[in-house]
Amino acid sequence: GAVVSQHPSRVICKSGTSVKIECRSLDFQATTMFWYRQFPKQSLMLMATSNEGSKATYEQGVEKDKFLINHASLTLSTLTVTSAHPEDSSFYICSARRGTKTEAFFGQGTRLTVV
Amino acid sequence: TQLLEQSPQFLSIQEGENLTVYCNSSSVFSSLQWYRQEPGEGPVLLVTVVTGGEVKKLKRLTFQFGDARKDSSLHITAAQPGDTGLYLCAGEVKTSYDKVIFGPGTSLSVIP
Repeated sequence: GAVVSQHPSRVICKSGTSVKIECRSLDFQATTMFWYRQFPKQSLMLMATSNEGSKATYEQGVEKDKFLINHASLTLSTLTVTSAHPEDSSFYICSARRGTKTEAFFGQGTRLTVV
Repeated sequence: TQLLEQSPQFLSIQEGENLTVYCNSSSVFSSLQWYRQEPGEGPVLLVTVVTGGEVKKLKRLTFQFGDARKDSSLHITAAQPGDTGLYLCAGEVKTSYDKVIFGPGTSLSVIP
């Protein structure tokens, strides 16, 4: 099966600091990775789409300079929340797609709490 | 903007009952997926439907893709407490880049 691992699963940081979240495809090469944000009892909101070796495409309303996405290899994408504030506290989830296949497989998510 | 709607938003039923969850859009999707998510975890893919009118079965779950590829339904027969979770439909949007957007979800609670 296709396994996507996200790390860390939980992180608490102080306001003003930066946090990096990693998303790895363990048994396949992910040409495309997606980053989502999910608030309690709500659905997943797409933040950005990243393709290996190119700049991420951000959805409207998502600040590029605040949510830095890097997809340096076919198995790793990172999301860095810069200068985090309490309102950035949320559940962040990545997913990865193999080649042109339609299915995307999800990581287990990262619970970010900014205090 | 392509939007997916789901109904009902919340559903609480007794064990053994049947239920249907609907996913609708005014847009046509090249494919549509159904996911199930438990609290604090990432969504788990249940099925992908691609062809208009397609019906797929996964044990007690039956998925249908509308003929026009704008809507889909998920039917669960004889629901069990283990079916409890958030059910999400997601559609693939092909623009200058491919992306997957999610519906708001249906929170299902099956009471023993």
